[in-house]
Amino acid sequence: GQNIDQPTEMTATEGAIVQINCTYQTSGFNGLFWYQQHAGEAPTFLSYNVLDGLEEKGRFSSFLSRSKGYSYLLLKELQMKDSASYLCAVSLDTDKLIFGTGTRLQVFP
Amino acid sequence: DAMVIQNPRYQVTQFGKPVTLSCSQTLNHNVMYWYQQKSSQAPKLLFHYYDKDFNNEADTPDNFQSRRPNTSFCFLDIRSPGLGDAAMYLCATSAAGGGTAKNIQYFGAGTRLSVL
Repeated sequence: GQNIDQPTEMTATEGAIVQINCTYQTSGFNGLFWYQQHAGEAPTFLSYNVLDGLEEKGRFSSFLSRSKGYSYLLLKELQMKDSASYLCAVSLDTDKLIFGTGTRLQVFP
Repeated sequence: DAMVIQNPRYQVTQFGKPVTLSCSQTLNHNVMYWYQQKSSQAPKLLFHYYDKDFNNEADTPDNFQSRRPNTSFCFLDIRSPGLGDAAMYLCATSAAGGGTAKNIQYFGAGTRLSVL
């Protein structure tokens, strides 16, 4: 079967840095996505990794190690608006994603 | 500008009463997906269309059907909703093919279905 694990909840302080981990065991791998989902809203795309290493995009960075089945999303200079769920998703082929249950991040002042 | 539009945002139906959720897109993407997401759970893929080709997930109940009359529109029909079908239903699109694996899915805002 397919298995994607993320912590259920995390808390952090405004201005801090937080790292959200994701581990996966899947029958195939064609890339890993991170999505942000605010309560009651649609998931929005944050990042994509298919090769090992770090991808940086402004305050957000994402890292992938395919040999370890591991990824993390790094959020810097946290803002209150970053309070949301962060979904890790693995692409098994070019058309389908398998999602983790998401990590609910709460940012406090 | 909204690119993937779902209507309605909130839908209330009665136990056993058929209901249809709609999704439209302005991205001209050839793949459209329907997901079910229950509270604090991962979005679960129900089915997807690759152009007109329908792809059902093995564990999607027969109670769920879909139609895609053209590129822009896709419908989710729940023939006899049960209490367990109360959830957020998300539509997504992507431009599959072209030899790229960076197949970003763009989501609509979702329809929250309540079953009374």
